[in-house]
This record gives sequence, C-alpha cells and structure tokens, in this order.
Amino acid sequence: DAGVIQSPRHEVTEMGQEVTLRCKPISGHDYLFWYRQTMMRGLELLIYFNNNVPIDDSGMPEDRFSAKMPNASFSTLKIQPSEPRDSAVYFCASSPTLRGAFFGQGTRLTVV
Amino acid sequence: DQQVKQNSPSLSVQEGRISILNCDYTNSMFDYFLWYKKYPAEGPTFLISISSIKDKNEDGRFTVFLNKSAKHLSLHIVPSQPGDSAVYFCAASGRLKNYGGATNKLIFGTGTLLAVQP
Repeated sequence: DAGVIQSPRHEVTEMGQEVTLRCKPISGHDYLFWYRQTMMRGLELLIYFNNNVPIDDSGMPEDRFSAKMPNASFSTLKIQPSEPRDSAVYFCASSPTLRGAFFGQGTRLTVV
Repeated sequence: DQQVKQNSPSLSVQEGRISILNCDYTNSMFDYFLWYKKYPAEGPTFLISISSIKDKNEDGRFTVFLNKSAKHLSLHIVPSQPGDSAVYFCAASGRLKNYGGATNKLIFGTGTLLAVQP
C-alpha cells in the first residue's frame, strides 16, 4: 500500500498565480480531508469529502480556495489567485471512518 | 475559535524520564480522541486513541488519559527516548454544529514540540 500520495512536494509561486495541489487517497477509503498546517493554528481542517461528495467546507478560508474530488482516487485543492499568506504546508489525508486519518507527506507551498 | 488546544508549544525532557503532553477541548460533542506524531518533512502518523467511554488507554510506552469533566486529555510517554522527539498533535472527533446543521469532524490542535535530550 503506497499510502496517501500528494504532489508536488514543494511549490513556489508568485503572488496572483493559480496553484493546484493534488492528492491520491488510499484505495477503499471513503473519506478524504484537506488540512493546512501553520504555526498559529496547527493542523486546520479546510474541507472533507465522503464518497467524493464535499461534506463540510466551513474551514476553507476564502473563495480563492476550491477543492474537487472527481472520482474516488483523486482530489485537488486549488488556490486562485494565491497570496503570500497562503504559504503553509498542505496535507491531504484519507480514512475509512471519521475516527482518524492517514496523512500524505504534504505539499509545502511558498507564495512570493 | 480553537476547539482543540495545546497550550504548550514545546516541551523538553531528559531521556528515560516521563513526558506529559496536554490537550484541552471545548466542545462536549467530541467523543473520540487521538494523538498523532509528526517528524519534520513527513505527514502526521497515528499514535494512540481513546473513546469517550474510557478514561485510560495504554499501548506500550504510551498512555492516554481522558478527563471528560475537565475536557482534558494527556499523553504520557515513559520512558522517553530520543527518537520520540517530534511534534505531537492532539485531535478530537465528533458531530459538531455547522451552518444550522451538524457534521462529523476531526479537529486537530496546534501541536507540541517534544525534545528528548540524551
């Protein structure tokens, strides 16, 4: 089992550009989560899906953020336009239940 | 609002001693609690969990204690080892109100950096 796979591992972009983060969850997991890690807020839940359907996006900071899950094996988190304050590590996680999560290695985003 | 709080950003302990990491939560709807460990440049990994119907769960050197009346849980590591040095996240799961309805959520705290000195 390869675990949760995220790409890219690192992304450096200029302010105003569109950024797309990608995630392949563990096969068979019905839940997929997007978290953002910052020093101030720790691991912050942005959005989660159940069976490809967005269930709770109340953590998405602004309309500049959007997430999709077109099928059970792929999800994207898009930021358009990106801003320097979006710089953080973004984690995707998946799970068969809501009693925990298996995390990917994260994408370190730097917006300059 | 931070529903899961870890008030100590860092903790330093001598090898062989006990490490105690603390976590407080505000929402009584949380009914399952977890601890995760995170090394630099890696994703968090699950360590130990506890259901709200219990007050203690033990797994080797790791024990989690839950005090529901105080809305407080703690992770004890004994004896501490240098390889335990990492960031530890507390997490809570439950059905929380949202947009006039309710959804199940898994909420994490801000993390505590544990340094175990040889």
